[in-house]
Amino acid sequence: QKEVEQNSGPLSVPEGAIASLNCTYSDRGSQSFFWYRQYSGKSPELIMFIYSNGDKEDGRFTAQLNKASQYVSLLIRDSQPSDSATYLCAVRRRDDKIIFGKGTRLHILP
Amino acid sequence: ETGVTQTPRHLVMGMTNKKSLKCEQHLGHNAMYWYKQSAKKPLELMFVYNFKEQTENNSVPSRFSPECPNSSHLFLHLHTLQPEDSALYLCASSPTDRGRGNQPQHFGDGTRLSIL
Repeated sequence: QKEVEQNSGPLSVPEGAIASLNCTYSDRGSQSFFWYRQYSGKSPELIMFIYSNGDKEDGRFTAQLNKASQYVSLLIRDSQPSDSATYLCAVRRRDDKIIFGKGTRLHILP
Repeated sequence: ETGVTQTPRHLVMGMTNKKSLKCEQHLGHNAMYWYKQSAKKPLELMFVYNFKEQTENNSVPSRFSPECPNSSHLFLHLHTLQPEDSALYLCASSPTDRGRGNQPQHFGDGTRLSIL
C-alpha cells in the first residue's frame, strides 16, 4: 500500500459545482495533514492544513479528516476555472516526516 | 512571491557537466529542503537541513551534493548526472524541520532540469 494515496484524475467538475478530492494514508499515527495546490509549471502552494478529526472550513475550501478511516478530503465549493490545478495531499507521519501523494488533477469545466 | 527563490528556473546540461542549483529564502525559517518532482511520481524528499546541519539524506546518489552555508541559502551541486535525473527540483523552507503541530513548507518555483 502506498503511504499517501490519491486518485490521479483528471477529475472534471462543472463550474459552480462542488469538487471533492480524496486522500488515504497508511501510517495510523500521522499527526498533521496538508493540502497543496500546484498550477502547471508552478510551485506547490499551501491551501489548508488540518490535524483534528472533523471539518475545517476556510472560504470555499473545507478539509475533512477521519483518522479512524485514515482518510482526508478537500471540498471546493462553487468551483471556478481558476481552481483547475493539481492538488497534493501531504501527511506528517508520527516520525515527523512529511510524505506527499502523487496529486489529483482537477479540471473545472466552464 | 512565495518568499523562496530558486535559480536558475531552467537548466540543460550534459551528463559530464557540473552545475549548481541555488535556493534562497526570505522568511526567517531555519529548515530547508530539496525535493525532486518527476512526472507521475509523488514529490520525493532528497535532503533536509535544520540550522545549517543536514538532518536527512533520503538515500540520494552521491552525484547530488547539497550545501547549506546558512539558514537562508541552500545549494544543490550536480555532477555526472543521468538522463533519469531530469525533473523539477523544488526547494522548500519551514520554521524548523521538527515542527510540533502544523508547520507547512513554503516552496520555491523550482528548477526544471534536463539532462542530455
